[in-house]
Amino acid sequence: ELKVEQNPLFLSMQEGKNYTIYCNYSTTSDRLYWYRQDPGKSLESLFVLLSNGAVKQEGRLMASLDTKARLSTLHITAAVHDLSATYFCAVATRDFGNEKLTFGTGTRLTIIP
Amino acid sequence: EAGVTQFPSHSVIEKGQTVTLRCDPISGHDNLYWYRRVMGKEIKFLLHFVKESKQDESGMPNNRFLAERTGGTYSTLKVQPAELEDSGVYFCASSQYIGGEKLFFGSGTQLSVL
Repeated sequence: ELKVEQNPLFLSMQEGKNYTIYCNYSTTSDRLYWYRQDPGKSLESLFVLLSNGAVKQEGRLMASLDTKARLSTLHITAAVHDLSATYFCAVATRDFGNEKLTFGTGTRLTIIP
Repeated sequence: EAGVTQFPSHSVIEKGQTVTLRCDPISGHDNLYWYRRVMGKEIKFLLHFVKESKQDESGMPNNRFLAERTGGTYSTLKVQPAELEDSGVYFCASSQYIGGEKLFFGSGTQLSVL
């Protein structure tokens, strides 16, 4: 059974600082997603990482994937208050043509002014 | 373009009652998924429809849960009878293709069973 471990669970950081959220998973996968969720809102897709060494950046967020280490990171650069949200990684697995996501526990990020 | 819509957004029921959740996927999306997040746990897969057919229902917890997608459009997830451990947030998602890069989620239904 695929296990996805995400850490930290909670992260409180000051504006302007850098930090990284980690996502480890236990079996090989086709793709890895990062989602953001604001309270009461839908899961918003941030990044889809498809291959080893993939790196994607959007604003102050950068995601990377190391399939050999089965590790993805979400790096936050010079955090601002608007980035406060819960972030999830999710690993996609395929079985007989079906695909489903296995999620990490989420990281609740709070940016302190 | 309208996103994935779910209703109700919140539902509070008593143990033993029945609740039906509804999901309207993005128009034209054949694939529809149900996930749920029980308090303090990960978001977990429940099932996957392709049009009106159940492609994978391996995540359905027990036979108190019944999902339907008549006509391949909207889907319903009925819980009957509801138990305390069913409380959580139920998410619906849709995509045009299996394995496509874009999977769109709704904002979820918060179910509280008292």
